[in-house]
Amino acid sequence: NAGVTQTPKFQVLKTGQSMTLQCAQDMNHEYMSWYRQDPGMGLRLIHYSVGAGITDQGEVPNGYNVSRSTTEDFPLRLLSAAPSQTSVYFCASSRPRDNSEQYFGPGTRLTVT
Amino acid sequence: GNSVTQMEGPVTLSEEAFLTINCTYTATGYPSLFWYVQYPGEGLQLLLKATKADDKGSNKGFEATYRKETTSFHLEKGSVQVSDSAVYFCASLGSGNTGKLIFGQGTTLQVKP
Repeated sequence: NAGVTQTPKFQVLKTGQSMTLQCAQDMNHEYMSWYRQDPGMGLRLIHYSVGAGITDQGEVPNGYNVSRSTTEDFPLRLLSAAPSQTSVYFCASSRPRDNSEQYFGPGTRLTVT
Repeated sequence: GNSVTQMEGPVTLSEEAFLTINCTYTATGYPSLFWYVQYPGEGLQLLLKATKADDKGSNKGFEATYRKETTSFHLEKGSVQVSDSAVYFCASLGSGNTGKLIFGQGTTLQVKP
């Protein structure tokens, strides 16, 4: 099993550009989430999904879109990048139990200039 | 809403010293609690967890006990090693069984030989 994979590892964007961060998991997990990590703030939830076709907003959803057409994939779209979106982005997946471990991808480091 | 507060870092210790990283939570009900560790350049991985009051999670010499009366889940290790240098995150599972983790801000641990 590859676990949770994310691409790209690094990305530099100019303000106003759009891009999609890819996330895939091969563990047949129903739950998937996107977090951003900023210094001194821990990880904050952007969007999450409890299954294919079902998504919802987390704590900091503005400027990001998601969709979940398959169990395996959960891409995160930045529609018009802003410098405030410079961060490290982590995708995670888990089974639908209240004590389930979340499995994290290696992260994407995004810089918006 | 739920929240998690961790002690400020960075924490610098000598090898074989005793480690405590404080974590307190606020929540309605009794959420599952977790400690995740992030080694340099990597994603997060689960270190230990506890799912109900008085449960003790343990792994790799680390321990944490779910204390309902003090709403705490402090991380301890009796003798740290250089290889324990990492960022440690305390987290609670949000309500509604949606897989939404709420993270503390993270504590950086540096262990010197």
